[in-house]
Amino acid sequence: SQKIEQNSEALNIQEGKTATLTCNYTNYSPAYLQWYRQDPGRGPVFLLLIRENEKEKRKERLKVTFDTTLKQSLFHITASQPADSATYLCALAESGGATNKLIFGTGTLLAVQP
Amino acid sequence: GAVVSQHPSRVICKSGTSVKIECRSLDFQATTMFWYRQFPKQSLMLMATSNEGSKATYEQGVEKDKFLINHASLTLSTLTVTSAHPEDSSFYICSARASGSGYTFGSGTRLTVV
Repeated sequence: SQKIEQNSEALNIQEGKTATLTCNYTNYSPAYLQWYRQDPGRGPVFLLLIRENEKEKRKERLKVTFDTTLKQSLFHITASQPADSATYLCALAESGGATNKLIFGTGTLLAVQP
Repeated sequence: GAVVSQHPSRVICKSGTSVKIECRSLDFQATTMFWYRQFPKQSLMLMATSNEGSKATYEQGVEKDKFLINHASLTLSTLTVTSAHPEDSSFYICSARASGSGYTFGSGTRLTVV
């Protein structure tokens, strides 16, 4: 069966440390993978996209890696801040004719302690 | 950047009544819109995909007669929850996408059926 799993439901780290979140997928062949941030009671906000032929992508304090052999993506937040506390979701775009459905992982709730 | 407006943000309705949720792309034409449902502490579950001017494609297990989707224009899609019951209480989120572009999410609608 197809699955997108994120390593843990919740992750607690100290301010200033690097947060590392994991996304593993099974029985998908994504052309690209995306990471989103979701705050309580809000819709997801796009953060980064990485294509299957890319190993790493960076944006400010964020870094994403993509290993299609391991079927895994890692999402890093360096120099974390309490404002980074939120739920982080990985998502795969599944080809379906003219549309690409975006399928989400289980999510990881990150809490950055001051 | 692309903006998607979703209304209402919260709605409470009586069991047996119908509720309509609107999703509008404000500054782009959305060739495809997606509707998701999210239960507390769970990830987004795709309900259906709709392309402008055609019938929506529903995911397995989603009742098309209960969740009516209309994508009448390139900037508007509506989700109507018919004969709502308490188990339909959830957070509903829409997403819009222009051809070849990324996904933009609405801010969500909290539906409570009493």
